[in-house]
Amino acid sequence: QKEVEQDPGPLSVPEGAIVSLNCTYSNSAFQYFMWYRQYSRKGPELLMYTYSSGNKEDGRFTAQVDKSSKYISLFIRDSQPSDSATYLCAVNSGGSNYKLTFGKGTLLTVNP
Amino acid sequence: DSGVTQTPKHLITATGQRVTLRCSPRSGDLSVYWYQQSLDQGLQFLIQYYNGEERAKGNILERFSAQQFPDLHSELNLSSLELGDSALYFCASSAGTAWQPQHFGDGTRLSIL
Repeated sequence: QKEVEQDPGPLSVPEGAIVSLNCTYSNSAFQYFMWYRQYSRKGPELLMYTYSSGNKEDGRFTAQVDKSSKYISLFIRDSQPSDSATYLCAVNSGGSNYKLTFGKGTLLTVNP
Repeated sequence: DSGVTQTPKHLITATGQRVTLRCSPRSGDLSVYWYQQSLDQGLQFLIQYYNGEERAKGNILERFSAQQFPDLHSELNLSSLELGDSALYFCASSAGTAWQPQHFGDGTRLSIL
């Protein structure tokens, strides 16, 4: 079983839609949860990160972590064509271990 | 712009050769991480350096090695290259003194012919 599972999509939505992106993970030791956005031919760009369970909001983006079900989500409200990219979830157990474990990414296209 | 600089952007070489990828971390960051991204495996952690010392190792082949220099820039050396080494190689950096999110460069695309 992979440590982090992420539906690769692709996901295609109309402009203005609410987008839901999700990952599941297997190791309950993970404490830090991140979402990165990667445009074609660019490096992953940090969108948001959370520690432990709960929600975090930043503009049109909301990250949710449910540690009881080992489920992490990213919601994008009022999606824009500029949001078209691959979205990667990443997890880390903290402590002295800073290695990130990534999902394979979900390709999102927002159509004008 | 993440502040992490990677050179070169693209490398084309042949099997059996050796290449060096270079990374300059964000100003003030002491930790450097190397990751490999391929279509089938996704982003995989290779190795971490903190202030010049190796801190953690991941799925890094014995043909690959890295180092971090006193000015904190890092190099990833790949030798005896095989077709399967073709991938994107990313460097990331973080403050390193406590948990902080990692910021990535735009990568080096390695093509083995």
